[in-house]
Amino acid sequence: KAGVTQTPRYLIKTRGQQVTLSCSPISGHRSVSWYQQTPGQGLQFLFEYFSETQRNKGNFPGRFSGRQFSNSRSEMNVSTLELGDSALYLCASSNLLAGKGADTQYFGPGTRLTVL
Amino acid sequence: AQSVTQLGSHVSVSEGALVLLRCNYSSSVPPYLFWYVQYPNQGLQLLLKYTSAATLVKGINGFEAEFKKSETSFHLTKPSAHMSDAAEYFCAVTLNKGGGADGLTFGKGTHLIIQP
Repeated sequence: KAGVTQTPRYLIKTRGQQVTLSCSPISGHRSVSWYQQTPGQGLQFLFEYFSETQRNKGNFPGRFSGRQFSNSRSEMNVSTLELGDSALYLCASSNLLAGKGADTQYFGPGTRLTVL
Repeated sequence: AQSVTQLGSHVSVSEGALVLLRCNYSSSVPPYLFWYVQYPNQGLQLLLKYTSAATLVKGINGFEAEFKKSETSFHLTKPSAHMSDAAEYFCAVTLNKGGGADGLTFGKGTHLIIQP
């Protein structure tokens, strides 16, 4: 099976702009999670989608949003970019089985966002 | 809320020596615990996971970890370090809620350096 893919891999934006990142999960995986990785804060959970519904959300401002499509592909959007939004954004998918507890999350290579 | 503490932001060992990366967790309910590895400019790769079955968990590339509830620890070990083990290692926890891909809470990471 192909792994988790993320596009684009690199992105440069300026302050105030908005950006959309895309994630395609492993085939058959219905859960997609997003994480932000920065040198200062480390890896932080943004949100998780399952069957087009956001089920969990981390402690991030409303400028960060996401959605999931019927084919399980997911996008995240950051509006009004700030310098501090420069980070590696990682997407992870999992093959969630009902009642089986937390399942392994498989990560994509990430999108490196630089805000100037 | 759950949390993870990784002792030592940098660990240096000689090639062939024992690798020991420390992870302590805090959780109010039985946790699921993971170790991930990240190579430069890549996403995270799962090394192993604890899901309340055997307390000694074997993973890929010769790594293993032991869940010790009394010590709230999940340290990662490898008997003999190889140059290719040089990378960033992350310990992560999520709660055993009996279902649902909850967000992973990550430690700050440990950079493993292998000396020739």
